[in-house]
Amino acid sequence: SAVISQKPSRDICQRGTSLTIQCQVDSQVTMMFWYRQQPGQSLTLIATANQGSEATYESGFVIDKFPISRPNLTFSTLTVSNMSPEDSSIYLCSVGGTGQINTEAFFGQGTRLTVV
Amino acid sequence: QKEVEQDPGPLSVPEGAIVSLNCTYSNSAFQYFMWYRQYSRKGPELLMYTYSSGNKEDGRFTAQVDKSSKYISLFIRDSQPSDSATYLCAMGREGQKLVFGQGTRLTINP
Repeated sequence: SAVISQKPSRDICQRGTSLTIQCQVDSQVTMMFWYRQQPGQSLTLIATANQGSEATYESGFVIDKFPISRPNLTFSTLTVSNMSPEDSSIYLCSVGGTGQINTEAFFGQGTRLTVV
Repeated sequence: QKEVEQDPGPLSVPEGAIVSLNCTYSNSAFQYFMWYRQYSRKGPELLMYTYSSGNKEDGRFTAQVDKSSKYISLFIRDSQPSDSATYLCAMGREGQKLVFGQGTRLTINP
Protein backbone atom coordinates (compact mmCIF):
# COMPACT_ATOMS: atom_id res chain seq x y z
CA SER A 1 0.00 0.00 0.00
CA ALA A 2 0.97 3.63 -0.23
CA VAL A 3 0.15 6.61 1.91
CA ILE A 4 -0.05 9.91 0.09
CA SER A 5 0.04 13.29 1.78
CA GLN A 6 -1.24 16.13 -0.30
CA LYS A 7 -1.31 19.79 0.58
CA PRO A 8 -2.89 22.21 0.76
CA SER A 9 -6.20 20.46 1.34
CA ARG A 10 -8.06 23.50 0.10
CA ASP A 11 -7.43 27.04 -1.04
CA ILE A 12 -9.27 30.05 -2.36
CA CYS A 13 -7.23 31.99 -4.90
CA GLN A 14 -7.57 35.14 -6.93
CA ARG A 15 -7.80 34.84 -10.68
CA GLY A 16 -4.49 35.38 -12.46
CA THR A 17 -2.43 33.90 -9.63
CA SER A 18 -0.79 30.48 -9.38
CA LEU A 19 -1.04 27.70 -6.81
CA THR A 20 1.42 24.88 -6.25
CA ILE A 21 0.11 21.61 -4.86
CA GLN A 22 2.49 19.21 -3.17
CA CYS A 23 2.27 15.43 -3.08
CA GLN A 24 4.43 13.25 -0.81
CA VAL A 25 4.39 9.44 -0.96
CA ASP A 26 5.66 7.19 1.82
CA SER A 27 7.46 4.89 -0.63
CA GLN A 28 9.47 5.24 -3.80
CA VAL A 29 7.38 5.06 -6.95
CA THR A 30 8.27 5.41 -10.61
CA MET A 31 5.12 7.10 -11.82
CA MET A 32 2.90 9.65 -10.12
CA PHE A 33 -0.32 10.87 -11.63
CA TRP A 34 -2.18 14.14 -11.34
CA TYR A 35 -5.94 14.19 -11.79
CA ARG A 36 -8.61 16.85 -11.87
CA GLN A 37 -12.12 16.15 -10.60
CA GLN A 38 -14.63 18.84 -11.44
CA PRO A 39 -17.91 18.97 -9.51
CA GLY A 40 -20.09 16.01 -10.41
CA GLN A 41 -17.52 14.73 -12.87
CA SER A 42 -15.12 11.83 -12.95
CA LEU A 43 -11.38 11.87 -12.62
CA THR A 44 -9.59 13.39 -15.58
CA LEU A 45 -5.91 12.62 -15.90
CA ILE A 46 -3.84 15.76 -16.32
CA ALA A 47 -0.38 14.26 -16.60
CA THR A 48 1.97 11.50 -15.59
CA ALA A 49 5.09 12.54 -13.71
CA ASN A 50 8.17 10.36 -14.06
CA GLN A 51 11.25 11.01 -12.02
CA GLY A 52 14.13 12.23 -14.14
CA SER A 53 12.11 13.11 -17.21
CA GLU A 54 9.52 15.61 -18.31
CA ALA A 55 5.92 14.93 -17.43
CA THR A 56 3.63 13.47 -20.05
CA TYR A 57 0.48 15.54 -20.53
CA GLU A 58 -2.91 14.32 -21.65
CA SER A 59 -4.83 15.89 -24.48
CA GLY A 60 -6.17 19.27 -23.44
CA PHE A 61 -3.54 19.93 -20.79
CA VAL A 62 -0.32 21.83 -21.41
CA ILE A 63 2.87 22.34 -19.47
CA ASP A 64 2.58 26.12 -19.43
CA LYS A 65 -0.72 25.89 -17.58
CA PHE A 66 0.10 22.90 -15.36
CA PRO A 67 3.86 22.70 -14.81
CA ILE A 68 4.91 19.64 -12.86
CA SER A 69 8.06 18.89 -10.95
CA ARG A 70 9.31 15.44 -9.91
CA PRO A 71 12.59 15.96 -8.10
CA ASN A 72 12.74 12.46 -6.55
CA LEU A 73 10.86 9.17 -6.29
CA THR A 74 8.64 10.22 -3.39
CA PHE A 75 7.61 13.78 -4.22
CA SER A 76 5.88 15.79 -6.93
CA THR A 77 4.28 19.19 -7.35
CA LEU A 78 1.59 20.45 -9.68
CA THR A 79 1.22 24.16 -10.31
CA VAL A 80 -2.00 25.62 -11.61
CA SER A 81 -0.90 28.79 -13.38
CA ASN A 82 -2.70 32.00 -14.27
CA MET A 83 -5.86 30.68 -12.70
CA SER A 84 -9.39 31.42 -13.83
CA PRO A 85 -12.71 30.39 -12.24
CA GLU A 86 -12.83 27.46 -14.68
CA ASP A 87 -9.87 25.97 -12.81
CA SER A 88 -11.99 25.56 -9.69
CA SER A 89 -11.86 21.86 -9.05
CA ILE A 90 -10.43 19.12 -6.88
CA TYR A 91 -6.90 18.12 -7.79
CA LEU A 92 -5.67 14.68 -6.79
CA CYS A 93 -2.32 12.99 -6.96
CA SER A 94 -2.14 9.25 -7.31
CA VAL A 95 0.28 6.34 -7.56
CA GLY A 96 -0.17 2.78 -8.78
CA GLY A 97 -2.93 1.34 -10.94
CA THR A 98 -0.74 0.64 -13.93
CA GLY A 99 -0.83 -3.11 -14.20
CA GLN A 100 -1.98 -6.45 -12.97
CA ILE A 101 0.71 -6.52 -10.30
CA ASN A 102 0.55 -2.85 -9.47
CA THR A 103 -3.21 -2.79 -9.69
CA GLU A 104 -4.41 -0.56 -6.94
CA ALA A 105 -4.31 3.16 -7.43
CA PHE A 106 -3.81 5.14 -4.22
CA PHE A 107 -4.93 8.71 -3.95
CA GLY A 108 -4.17 11.69 -1.84
CA GLN A 109 -7.08 13.36 -0.10
CA GLY A 110 -7.23 16.00 -2.79
CA THR A 111 -6.83 19.76 -2.98
CA ARG A 112 -10.09 21.65 -3.29
CA LEU A 113 -9.35 24.79 -5.28
CA THR A 114 -11.73 27.71 -5.64
CA VAL A 115 -10.76 30.56 -7.95
CA VAL A 116 -12.57 33.85 -7.43
CA GLN B 1 -18.45 8.15 -27.31
CA LYS B 2 -16.75 7.97 -23.92
CA GLU B 3 -14.56 4.96 -23.24
CA VAL B 4 -16.43 4.32 -20.01
CA GLU B 5 -20.03 5.25 -19.33
CA GLN B 6 -21.52 5.40 -15.85
CA ASP B 7 -24.86 6.80 -14.78
CA PRO B 8 -24.02 9.69 -12.44
CA GLY B 9 -27.25 9.33 -10.46
CA PRO B 10 -27.89 10.52 -7.83
CA LEU B 11 -29.26 7.25 -6.49
CA SER B 12 -31.17 7.19 -3.21
CA VAL B 13 -32.36 3.97 -1.57
CA PRO B 14 -33.62 2.93 1.87
CA GLU B 15 -31.35 1.19 4.32
CA GLY B 16 -31.25 -2.57 3.78
CA ALA B 17 -31.97 -2.38 0.05
CA ILE B 18 -29.87 -4.07 -2.59
CA VAL B 19 -27.99 -1.53 -4.69
CA SER B 20 -26.90 -2.15 -8.26
CA LEU B 21 -24.32 0.11 -9.90
CA ASN B 22 -23.22 -0.35 -13.49
CA CYS B 23 -20.74 0.74 -16.11
CA THR B 24 -20.40 0.04 -19.79
CA TYR B 25 -17.24 0.41 -21.81
CA SER B 26 -16.15 0.39 -25.41
CA ASN B 27 -12.51 -0.75 -25.33
CA SER B 28 -12.32 -4.54 -25.50
CA ALA B 29 -8.63 -4.40 -24.54
CA PHE B 30 -9.39 -3.62 -20.90
CA GLN B 31 -8.18 -6.46 -18.73
CA TYR B 32 -8.93 -5.49 -15.17
CA PHE B 33 -11.86 -3.75 -13.63
CA MET B 34 -12.24 -1.94 -10.37
CA TRP B 35 -14.69 -0.12 -8.20
CA TYR B 36 -13.59 2.81 -6.09
CA ARG B 37 -15.52 4.42 -3.29
CA GLN B 38 -15.11 8.11 -2.60
CA TYR B 39 -16.46 9.73 0.51
CA SER B 40 -17.06 13.45 0.54
CA ARG B 41 -13.82 15.45 0.77
CA LYS B 42 -11.68 12.32 0.47
CA GLY B 43 -9.70 10.68 -2.30
CA PRO B 44 -11.06 7.50 -3.92
CA GLU B 45 -10.30 4.14 -2.24
CA LEU B 46 -10.23 0.78 -3.97
CA LEU B 47 -13.28 -1.29 -3.08
CA MET B 48 -13.25 -4.22 -5.49
CA TYR B 49 -10.91 -5.55 -8.16
CA THR B 50 -11.64 -8.14 -10.83
CA TYR B 51 -9.37 -9.48 -13.52
CA SER B 52 -11.17 -10.48 -16.74
CA SER B 53 -14.72 -11.82 -16.68
CA GLY B 54 -16.44 -13.29 -13.67
CA ASN B 55 -17.73 -12.52 -10.23
CA LYS B 56 -16.00 -11.56 -7.03
CA GLU B 57 -17.59 -11.32 -3.63
CA ASP B 58 -16.32 -9.52 -0.54
CA GLY B 59 -18.74 -9.35 2.34
CA ARG B 60 -21.77 -7.36 1.26
CA PHE B 61 -20.17 -6.38 -2.04
CA THR B 62 -20.21 -8.36 -5.30
CA ALA B 63 -18.48 -7.26 -8.49
CA GLN B 64 -19.44 -8.75 -11.84
CA VAL B 65 -17.67 -8.42 -15.16
CA ASP B 66 -19.20 -9.47 -18.47
CA LYS B 67 -16.55 -8.84 -21.11
CA SER B 68 -18.75 -10.15 -23.93
CA SER B 69 -21.26 -7.38 -23.20
CA LYS B 70 -18.63 -4.86 -22.05
CA TYR B 71 -20.59 -4.38 -18.87
CA ILE B 72 -19.58 -4.37 -15.21
CA SER B 73 -21.68 -4.19 -12.08
CA LEU B 74 -21.30 -3.67 -8.37
CA PHE B 75 -23.96 -5.00 -6.02
CA ILE B 76 -24.29 -3.91 -2.42
CA ARG B 77 -26.43 -6.10 -0.19
CA ASP B 78 -28.02 -4.97 3.05
CA SER B 79 -26.99 -1.40 2.30
CA GLN B 80 -26.04 0.81 5.22
CA PRO B 81 -26.00 4.60 5.65
CA SER B 82 -22.19 4.31 5.84
CA ASP B 83 -22.25 3.11 2.22
CA SER B 84 -23.36 6.59 1.16
CA ALA B 85 -20.61 7.80 -1.14
CA THR B 86 -19.71 8.24 -4.79
CA TYR B 87 -18.79 4.98 -6.52
CA LEU B 88 -16.46 5.12 -9.51
CA CYS B 89 -15.79 2.27 -11.87
CA ALA B 90 -12.33 2.09 -13.37
CA MET B 91 -10.69 -0.16 -15.88
CA GLY B 92 -7.30 -0.59 -17.39
CA ARG B 93 -4.73 -2.74 -19.05
CA GLU B 94 -1.10 -3.52 -18.43
CA GLY B 95 1.13 -0.48 -18.41
CA GLN B 96 -1.66 1.89 -19.33
CA LYS B 97 -3.44 4.58 -17.36
CA LEU B 98 -6.69 3.78 -15.65
CA VAL B 99 -9.91 5.06 -17.20
CA PHE B 100 -12.60 6.11 -14.75
CA GLY B 101 -16.34 6.33 -15.09
CA GLN B 102 -18.15 9.49 -14.11
CA GLY B 103 -19.09 8.16 -10.69
CA THR B 104 -22.51 7.44 -9.20
CA ARG B 105 -23.51 9.37 -6.11
CA LEU B 106 -25.31 6.97 -3.75
CA THR B 107 -27.30 7.86 -0.64
CA ILE B 108 -28.61 5.23 1.77
CA ASN B 109 -31.47 6.60 3.83
CA PRO B 110 -31.90 5.30 7.41
